[in-house]
Amino acid sequence: GQQLNQSPQSMFIQEGEDVSMNCTSSSIFNTWLWYKQEPGEGPVLLIALYKAGELTSNGRLTAQFGITRKDSFLNISASIPSDVGIYFCAGQPIYNAGNMLTFGGGTRLMVKP
Amino acid sequence: DTGVSQDPRHKITKRGQNVTFRCDPISEHNRLYWYRQTLGQGPEFLTYFQNEAQLEKSRLLSDRFSAERPKGSFSTLEIQRTEQGDSAMYLCASSLNTQYFGPGTRLTVL
Repeated sequence: GQQLNQSPQSMFIQEGEDVSMNCTSSSIFNTWLWYKQEPGEGPVLLIALYKAGELTSNGRLTAQFGITRKDSFLNISASIPSDVGIYFCAGQPIYNAGNMLTFGGGTRLMVKP
Repeated sequence: DTGVSQDPRHKITKRGQNVTFRCDPISEHNRLYWYRQTLGQGPEFLTYFQNEAQLEKSRLLSDRFSAERPKGSFSTLEIQRTEQGDSAMYLCASSLNTQYFGPGTRLTVL
């Protein structure tokens, strides 16, 4: 089963609002990734984080790798309708030679124009 | 398009039939992963290859499932004697370090 707790499960916001979502784990991770998935498609990589404390931006998206290495958050500023989708966090546990990913349950984002 | 590709995109089959899916990774990527995603859940790891060697399998990969990557390039995932519980999206990802996913194959078992 999945080991990452992702919250919130869903958000329904007004266009222009900022969004924040996060993931926590009971295990230490050495990499955190954030993906976006639209219906019928595979996950698309948004941001990759490789160091504890790292803060990385990609346009209106900002993500941070928690200093405890057990959590990460993703912020989206000034949301627009095309931000609609499901956002997944994923991590690579520290003792994982194959770099297999463990995923959170997803945050479904809906944006009202 | 030089991303990960998967074929077919959709497959509908009857219970008990065998199905095979193909994944073509990004050409220089040496690692290839298969994941399964059911409705409302995040993807779950099934198996991975480094070049042509299958190095790890999840406990989710029952003996009805087999995966190959014969020349270290494309990979196939076969499910024998399909069951309704096999209905899911099957995702392939490839990497040198960071994993990039294909569009998936949606399997429906009737």
